[in-house]
Amino acid sequence: EAQVTQNPRYLITVTGKKLTVTCSQNMNHEYMSWYRQDPGLGLRQIYYSMNVEVTDKGDVPEGYKVSRKEKRNFPLILESPSPNQTSLYFCASSWLQDGTYGYTFGSGTRLTVV
Amino acid sequence: TQLLEQSPQFLSIQEGENLTVYCNSSSVFSSLQWYRQEPGEGPVLLVTVVTGGEVKKLKRLTFQFGDARKDSSLHITAAQPGDTGLYLCAGAGAGSYQLTFGKGTKLSVIP
Repeated sequence: EAQVTQNPRYLITVTGKKLTVTCSQNMNHEYMSWYRQDPGLGLRQIYYSMNVEVTDKGDVPEGYKVSRKEKRNFPLILESPSPNQTSLYFCASSWLQDGTYGYTFGSGTRLTVV
Repeated sequence: TQLLEQSPQFLSIQEGENLTVYCNSSSVFSSLQWYRQEPGEGPVLLVTVVTGGEVKKLKRLTFQFGDARKDSSLHITAAQPGDTGLYLCAGAGAGSYQLTFGKGTKLSVIP
């Protein structure tokens, strides 16, 4: 089944403790992206990657890192999490459809930083 | 910065009623997509519209792209409880992977 898999689904951590949220897609998509979703603010892009070893900042990159060492994986790293990073996070990969790019999203990771 | 405004933000209707939600921008998009997101899940792509004036139907859902490609609407006929969710519109520039998302319309269909 074509899908984007994120882990973990739920995570509670303490301020300053480094964490990684994994994202993997099995569709051979070149483009992958991370979003956070907050009430009243909608989906905001954190980082994106056009291909292996090519990453770029989105709208809200501060406090986050990413890497793209292989096509299928795009982990999100929080080196020193803070409470304002408490949010619902989504990974997405993108394919070409009808001349534009449709996204497949993962099921989300709900992160709480205390 | 391209912005997409969705209205209404919240909508609560009875089963069987019709409804329309709107997605508006001052910017031109090469295409516009609609997603539905259910609680606890990621958004799922419903449709992509690419031509000004285009209308696409997906069962009881009708999507329209404005002639100037700055706005779109989603009309649901005879809403069902299974239509409940957050509806997001997203616009793309020509040849771009990047999407601009609206903040969504949260729809509740009451049995």
